Amino acid sequence: DAGVIQSPRHEVTEMGQEVTLRCKPISGHDYLFWYRQTMMRGLELLIYFNNNVPIDDSGMPEDRFSAKMPNASFSTLKIQPSEPRDSAVYFCASSLRGGAYGYTFGSGTRLTVV
Amino acid sequence: EDQVTQSPEALRLQEGESSSLNCSYTVSGLRGLFWYRQDPGKGPEFLFTLYSAGEEKEKERLKATLTKKESFLHITAPKPEDSATYLCAVQAYSGGYNKLIFGAGTRLAVHP
Repeated sequence: DAGVIQSPRHEVTEMGQEVTLRCKPISGHDYLFWYRQTMMRGLELLIYFNNNVPIDDSGMPEDRFSAKMPNASFSTLKIQPSEPRDSAVYFCASSLRGGAYGYTFGSGTRLTVV
Repeated sequence: EDQVTQSPEALRLQEGESSSLNCSYTVSGLRGLFWYRQDPGKGPEFLFTLYSAGEEKEKERLKATLTKKESFLHITAPKPEDSATYLCAVQAYSGGYNKLIFGAGTRLAVHP
Protein backbone atom coordinates (compact mmCIF):
# COMPACT_ATOMS: atom_id res chain seq x y z
CA ASP A 1 0.00 0.00 0.00
CA ALA A 2 1.30 3.46 -0.91
CA GLY A 3 -0.01 4.96 2.30
CA VAL A 4 -1.94 8.22 2.56
CA ILE A 5 -1.15 10.38 -0.46
CA GLN A 6 -1.37 14.16 -0.33
CA SER A 7 -0.90 16.69 -3.07
CA PRO A 8 0.65 19.07 -3.66
CA ARG A 9 3.65 18.76 -1.33
CA HIS A 10 4.25 22.48 -1.40
CA GLU A 11 1.94 25.32 -2.36
CA VAL A 12 2.78 29.01 -2.54
CA THR A 13 -0.09 31.33 -3.30
CA GLU A 14 -0.99 34.97 -3.05
CA MET A 15 -3.39 36.28 -0.47
CA GLY A 16 -6.96 36.13 -1.69
CA GLN A 17 -6.45 33.17 -3.99
CA GLU A 18 -8.29 29.87 -3.67
CA VAL A 19 -6.25 26.90 -2.52
CA THR A 20 -7.26 23.25 -2.80
CA LEU A 21 -5.43 20.49 -0.98
CA ARG A 22 -5.99 16.87 -1.91
CA CYS A 23 -5.84 13.57 -0.08
CA LYS A 24 -6.15 9.92 -1.01
CA PRO A 25 -6.61 7.74 2.08
CA ILE A 26 -5.53 4.15 2.50
CA SER A 27 -7.92 1.81 0.76
CA GLY A 28 -10.39 0.29 3.21
CA HIS A 29 -9.94 2.92 5.90
CA ASP A 30 -13.28 4.35 7.00
CA TYR A 31 -12.09 7.47 8.84
CA LEU A 32 -10.35 10.47 7.31
CA PHE A 33 -8.93 13.42 9.22
CA TRP A 34 -7.55 16.81 8.26
CA TYR A 35 -5.02 18.38 10.63
CA ARG A 36 -3.10 21.64 10.53
CA GLN A 37 0.34 21.99 12.13
CA THR A 38 2.05 25.23 13.12
CA MET A 39 4.89 25.99 15.48
CA MET A 40 2.59 28.03 17.70
CA ARG A 41 -0.39 25.69 17.93
CA GLY A 42 1.00 22.26 17.09
CA LEU A 43 -1.31 19.73 15.45
CA GLU A 44 -4.93 20.86 15.35
CA LEU A 45 -7.81 18.73 14.16
CA LEU A 46 -9.81 20.61 11.54
CA ILE A 47 -12.45 18.10 10.45
CA TYR A 48 -12.99 14.39 10.19
CA PHE A 49 -15.14 12.06 8.14
CA ASN A 50 -16.56 8.63 8.78
CA ASN A 51 -17.63 6.67 5.71
CA ASN A 52 -17.39 9.88 3.65
CA VAL A 53 -19.74 11.79 5.98
CA PRO A 54 -18.41 14.83 7.87
CA ILE A 55 -18.72 14.13 11.59
CA ASP A 56 -17.08 17.04 13.38
CA ASP A 57 -15.98 20.27 11.73
CA SER A 58 -15.69 22.30 14.92
CA GLY A 59 -11.97 22.72 14.32
CA MET A 60 -12.43 24.49 11.00
CA PRO A 61 -11.21 28.00 11.80
CA GLU A 62 -13.52 30.03 9.58
CA ASP A 63 -16.07 29.84 6.82
CA ARG A 64 -13.21 30.33 4.41
CA PHE A 65 -12.34 26.68 5.03
CA SER A 66 -14.38 23.84 3.56
CA ALA A 67 -13.78 20.10 3.14
CA LYS A 68 -15.43 17.44 1.06
CA MET A 69 -15.17 13.70 0.66
CA PRO A 70 -17.10 12.75 -2.48
CA ASN A 71 -16.03 9.10 -2.28
CA ALA A 72 -14.02 6.72 -0.14
CA SER A 73 -10.78 7.37 -2.00
CA PHE A 74 -10.63 11.15 -2.21
CA SER A 75 -10.98 14.23 -0.05
CA THR A 76 -10.27 17.92 -0.53
CA LEU A 77 -9.66 20.83 1.82
CA LYS A 78 -10.34 24.21 0.26
CA ILE A 79 -9.44 27.67 1.50
CA GLN A 80 -11.14 30.59 -0.21
CA PRO A 81 -9.94 33.29 0.05
CA SER A 82 -6.55 32.41 1.51
CA GLU A 83 -4.77 34.65 4.05
CA PRO A 84 -1.15 34.75 5.26
CA ARG A 85 -2.19 33.35 8.66
CA ASP A 86 -3.32 30.18 6.89
CA SER A 87 0.33 29.34 6.22
CA ALA A 88 1.00 25.97 7.86
CA VAL A 89 1.53 22.31 7.09
CA TYR A 90 -1.74 20.52 6.42
CA PHE A 91 -1.88 16.79 7.10
CA CYS A 92 -4.41 14.23 6.05
CA ALA A 93 -4.69 10.99 8.02
CA SER A 94 -6.84 7.90 7.70
CA SER A 95 -7.71 5.06 10.02
CA LEU A 96 -9.71 1.89 10.32
CA ARG A 97 -12.52 1.66 12.87
CA GLY A 98 -11.77 4.99 14.52
CA GLY A 99 -8.07 4.49 15.03
CA ALA A 100 -7.74 1.42 17.20
CA TYR A 101 -4.62 0.54 15.19
CA GLY A 102 -3.33 4.09 14.93
CA TYR A 103 -3.81 6.77 12.36
CA THR A 104 -1.69 6.81 9.23
CA PHE A 105 -0.61 10.27 8.19
CA GLY A 106 0.35 11.56 4.79
CA SER A 107 3.50 13.58 4.19
CA GLY A 108 1.60 16.85 4.38
CA THR A 109 1.17 19.92 2.22
CA ARG A 110 3.25 22.93 3.19
CA LEU A 111 1.13 26.00 2.38
CA THR A 112 2.62 29.45 2.18
CA VAL A 113 0.32 32.40 1.58
CA VAL A 114 2.16 35.60 0.67
CA GLU B 1 -11.97 20.44 28.23
CA ASP B 2 -9.82 17.61 26.85
CA GLN B 3 -6.15 18.47 27.12
CA VAL B 4 -2.75 16.87 26.50
CA THR B 5 0.47 18.33 27.92
CA GLN B 6 3.94 17.08 27.05
CA SER B 7 7.19 17.77 28.84
CA PRO B 8 9.89 18.73 28.37
CA GLU B 9 9.44 20.80 25.21
CA ALA B 10 12.96 19.92 24.13
CA LEU B 11 15.52 17.40 25.33
CA ARG B 12 19.16 17.03 24.43
CA LEU B 13 20.89 13.74 25.21
CA GLN B 14 24.24 12.22 24.64
CA GLU B 15 24.26 8.93 22.78
CA GLY B 16 23.63 6.17 25.34
CA GLU B 17 22.12 8.52 27.93
CA SER B 18 18.69 7.10 28.84
CA SER B 19 15.77 9.39 29.68
CA SER B 20 11.98 9.68 29.73
CA LEU B 21 9.41 11.90 28.06
CA ASN B 22 6.17 12.74 29.84
CA CYS B 23 2.61 13.08 28.58
CA SER B 24 -0.11 14.13 31.03
CA TYR B 25 -3.74 14.28 30.01
CA THR B 26 -7.21 15.23 31.12
CA VAL B 27 -9.91 13.74 28.97
CA SER B 28 -13.37 12.35 29.43
CA GLY B 29 -14.00 9.00 27.85
CA LEU B 30 -10.40 8.00 27.12
CA ARG B 31 -10.32 5.38 24.39
CA GLY B 32 -6.57 5.14 24.00
CA LEU B 33 -3.27 6.96 24.23
CA PHE B 34 -0.98 7.08 21.23
CA TRP B 35 2.69 7.86 20.73
CA TYR B 36 3.96 9.11 17.40
CA ARG B 37 7.37 10.02 16.05
CA GLN B 38 7.71 12.92 13.60
CA ASP B 39 10.82 13.63 11.54
CA PRO B 40 11.34 17.04 9.90
CA GLY B 41 9.29 17.45 6.73
CA LYS B 42 7.29 14.29 7.32
CA GLY B 43 3.99 13.28 8.82
CA PRO B 44 3.74 11.67 12.25
CA GLU B 45 4.61 7.97 12.30
CA PHE B 46 2.65 5.68 14.61
CA LEU B 47 4.63 4.02 17.43
CA PHE B 48 2.31 2.69 20.15
CA THR B 49 -1.24 2.55 21.44
CA LEU B 50 -1.94 2.09 25.16
CA TYR B 51 -5.44 1.45 26.45
CA SER B 52 -5.38 0.87 30.19
CA ALA B 53 -3.39 1.87 33.26
CA GLY B 54 -0.48 -0.46 33.83
CA GLU B 55 -0.09 -1.33 30.18
CA GLU B 56 3.38 -1.23 28.62
CA LYS B 57 4.57 -1.48 25.01
CA GLU B 58 8.13 -1.80 23.70
CA LYS B 59 9.80 -1.23 20.37
CA GLU B 60 13.56 -1.37 20.05
CA ARG B 61 14.94 1.28 22.44
CA LEU B 62 11.50 2.74 23.22
CA LYS B 63 9.12 1.71 25.97
CA ALA B 64 5.77 3.36 26.62
CA THR B 65 3.87 3.11 29.90
CA LEU B 66 0.46 4.37 30.99
CA THR B 67 -1.09 5.43 34.29
CA LYS B 68 -4.51 6.95 34.92
CA LYS B 69 -3.22 10.48 34.40
CA GLU B 70 -0.04 10.25 32.36
CA SER B 71 2.15 8.27 30.04
CA PHE B 72 5.90 8.00 29.78
CA LEU B 73 8.05 7.22 26.79
CA HIS B 74 11.31 5.77 28.05
CA ILE B 75 14.29 5.86 25.72
CA THR B 76 17.07 3.44 26.63
CA ALA B 77 20.60 4.01 25.32
CA PRO B 78 19.44 6.35 22.55
CA LYS B 79 21.24 6.71 19.25
CA PRO B 80 21.44 9.80 17.00
CA GLU B 81 18.82 8.26 14.70
CA ASP B 82 16.31 8.52 17.55
CA SER B 83 16.41 12.29 17.15
CA ALA B 84 12.89 13.46 16.24
CA THR B 85 9.81 15.09 17.73
CA TYR B 86 7.76 12.67 19.80
CA LEU B 87 4.04 13.37 19.92
CA CYS B 88 1.52 12.07 22.40
CA ALA B 89 -2.18 11.95 21.55
CA VAL B 90 -5.30 10.84 23.36
CA GLN B 91 -8.32 9.38 21.68
CA ALA B 92 -11.41 10.88 23.25
CA TYR B 93 -14.97 9.68 22.81
CA SER B 94 -17.38 12.49 22.07
CA GLY B 95 -20.80 12.55 20.50
CA GLY B 96 -20.66 8.92 19.51
CA TYR B 97 -17.31 9.16 17.75
CA ASN B 98 -13.62 9.06 18.54
CA LYS B 99 -11.19 11.87 17.84
CA LEU B 100 -7.46 12.24 18.42
CA ILE B 101 -6.12 15.20 20.37
CA PHE B 102 -2.37 15.87 20.18
CA GLY B 103 0.08 17.38 22.60
CA ALA B 104 2.66 19.92 21.45
CA GLY B 105 5.43 17.33 21.32
CA THR B 106 8.94 16.88 22.73
CA ARG B 107 11.86 17.65 20.40
CA LEU B 108 14.58 15.10 21.11
CA ALA B 109 18.15 15.58 19.95
CA VAL B 110 20.66 12.79 20.52
CA HIS B 111 24.27 13.73 19.99
CA PRO B 112 27.16 11.30 19.34
